[in-house]
Amino acid sequence: AQSVTQLGSHVSVSEGALVLLRCNYSSSVPPYLFWYVQYPNQGLQLLLKYTSAATLVKGINGFEAEFKKSETSFHLTKPSAHMSDAAEYFCAVSGPGNTGKLIFGQGTTLQVKP
Amino acid sequence: DADVTQTPRNRITKTGKRIMLECSQTKGHDRMYWYRQDPGLGLRLIYYSFDVKDINKGEISDGYSVSRQAQAKFSLSLESAIPNQTALYFCATSEARTGNQPQHFGDGTRLSIL
Repeated sequence: AQSVTQLGSHVSVSEGALVLLRCNYSSSVPPYLFWYVQYPNQGLQLLLKYTSAATLVKGINGFEAEFKKSETSFHLTKPSAHMSDAAEYFCAVSGPGNTGKLIFGQGTTLQVKP
Repeated sequence: DADVTQTPRNRITKTGKRIMLECSQTKGHDRMYWYRQDPGLGLRLIYYSFDVKDINKGEISDGYSVSRQAQAKFSLSLESAIPNQTALYFCATSEARTGNQPQHFGDGTRLSIL
């Protein structure tokens, strides 16, 4: 069965510091992987997705993620945090078959300190 | 106007009441999904629908039912609400091509059951 684990429910960084949010997945087939962001009182917004075209995926707002098959990881990074990046971030893997179902990680809340 | 609209945005009700949450979309997508979000658990799939005649249970469908009234409308019902159904509920849509299509989320309905 497919699953996603996000290491760290809360991450705190200073403004301008590197952001690293960790995601590990389990999948018996080549996965499709996604990162979503949720701002307060809003729905989830797609940051980026991995669909096997390239292992380094660039997304919106300066975020990127690298797919590492050997480590079963898809960590999200941003070189320099901005106050507006404070939000909850979810990693997700597409479920088996062509159902389009997503299996989500538990979420990581990013706090950005001035 | 939002592409995926959920109504109501907030609802407080009592144990035992019947509740309907509604979702409508203007994206023209065939696939629609209902999730609930609980702190520390991420999003979990309740029901999903590939078209008006194809409705499927997700991982936590007990206590819920759905209706796909049209391609654009997908409603979630709680027949007899109980306090542990207090959560944030999201509707999402996706294209019916392959599993790598991202989902598009509404802004959610915050449901409290007393």
